[in-house]
Amino acid sequence: DAKTTQPPSMDCAEGRAANLPCNHSTISGNEYVYWYRQIHSQGPQYIIHGLKNNETNEMASLIITEDRKSSTLILPHATLRDTAVYYCIVRVVKTSYDKVIFGPGTSLSVIP
Amino acid sequence: GAVVSQHPSWVICKSGTSVKIECRSLDFQATTMFWYRQFPKQSLMLMATSNEGSKATYEQGVEKDKFLINHASLTLSTLTVTSAHPEDSSFYICSATSGLQNQPQHFGDGTRLSIL
Repeated sequence: DAKTTQPPSMDCAEGRAANLPCNHSTISGNEYVYWYRQIHSQGPQYIIHGLKNNETNEMASLIITEDRKSSTLILPHATLRDTAVYYCIVRVVKTSYDKVIFGPGTSLSVIP
Repeated sequence: GAVVSQHPSWVICKSGTSVKIECRSLDFQATTMFWYRQFPKQSLMLMATSNEGSKATYEQGVEKDKFLINHASLTLSTLTVTSAHPEDSSFYICSATSGLQNQPQHFGDGTRLSIL
C-alpha cells in the first residue's frame, strides 16, 4: 500500500501558486519524499525530491515539515500545462530492495 | 536529463498473440527497472521489479508466466505479455533507476496495448 495520502483533486487559478499537500506520517528516517506528475496518456515526470531540507528547482519547491510527517509541493506560477495528476511518494533504497508504490495522487486542474 | 525510451508506444494485436515491450535507459546505467500497469482513471500499479542479471520480483497477483520480464543488460529490460487476451489491454509503463536513493526513477512514455 502507498505510504502517503493526498487530496483527490484541487483547482488553481492560472498564474497563482498551486500548493499540493501530502501526508506521510509513517515515513522512516531513511526515506526520501519524491514528487512526480502525470499528464494524460504519458509516463510520469519527475518533479523534485527531498529528505529533510526544503528543496527548490526550476519546476517547483518542496517544503518538508520538521517532523517529516507531511510535505507541500509548490508550483509558484501555475499554467494550464501544469494540469496533471501529482503523485507524492516515499522511497527507500536498500541493497537488493527498491520499491516505489503509487497512491491515487491529486488531480490538479489549472483554471484560466 | 536522464531519458528512458519505451517501444512501441502503441500496439493492437489479436487475442492469443504475444507482445514484447522494450524499455531502454539511454544515458545512464539502470541497475533496477520497474514495470507498471495503469487502467483508465486509476493510478499506476507496480507489476514487477527487475535487477540486471537476475530474476524479476513480481508483485502479489501478477502472473510471472503471463508477464515475462527480462533485464539482460544495464540499459534494456523487456516485458512480454504472453497469450494476450482483451483483459490484458492496458497502459504499460516502465521506469529505470541507477539504484541510488538520491536519484529519481525515470519513466518511459508508456505503451498502450489493445487486444482484440
